Amino acid sequence: GQSLEQPSEVTAVEGAIVQINCTYQTSGFYGLSWYQQHDGGAPTFLSYNALDGLEETGRFSSFLSRSDSYGYLLLQELQMKDSASYFCAVLNQAGTALIFGKGTTLSVSS
Amino acid sequence: DGGITQSPKYLFRKEGQNVTLSCEQNLNHDAMYWYRQDPGQGLRLIYYSQIVNDFQKGDIAEGYSVSREKKESFPLTVTSAQKNPTAFYLCASSQGQGGSDTQYFGPGTRLTVL
Repeated sequence: GQSLEQPSEVTAVEGAIVQINCTYQTSGFYGLSWYQQHDGGAPTFLSYNALDGLEETGRFSSFLSRSDSYGYLLLQELQMKDSASYFCAVLNQAGTALIFGKGTTLSVSS
Repeated sequence: DGGITQSPKYLFRKEGQNVTLSCEQNLNHDAMYWYRQDPGQGLRLIYYSQIVNDFQKGDIAEGYSVSREKKESFPLTVTSAQKNPTAFYLCASSQGQGGSDTQYFGPGTRLTVL
């Protein structure tokens, strides 16, 4: 089956850079996705990596190393509004539904 | 506006009662999903459907049932067999193309069983 590991909590200050790591074990790999969820809200898509390397989207970047079964989400120039939970996710073995990690709660302070 | 709606936002039920959570999408997506979220547990897959009149069990399907009679609707019934039904339930949809397929989530229904 699929399993993902990510830290439960990360704290940082405004303006800083933070990296949220994710390691995965999968039977079949279709890529690594990242979602953001503010408290009580709906998860929203942030990024997707199918190939090794870094994908940049504004202040957020995502990295994948398939040989290490590892990826990370990099958040730069942190703002208070970035305080949220961040989930990494992979498709299930059949490639038909996302399986999520338990999430990393990011707290940004001033 | 295209999107996913879930109703109601908050739902209270007595123990032993079945309850049905609504999920409707107007994104013309083929695939729909139900997840359960508990504190510290992330999102766990309950059921999903890739096409009308077909659905598959996820990791925690016991005590739940679904139907997919229409492309835009995927209701979830929480039965009395579900031992701990109090949770935040999230519905999602996608084009169902795997790989980079993005899932779009509804606002969720918070179910409390008294």
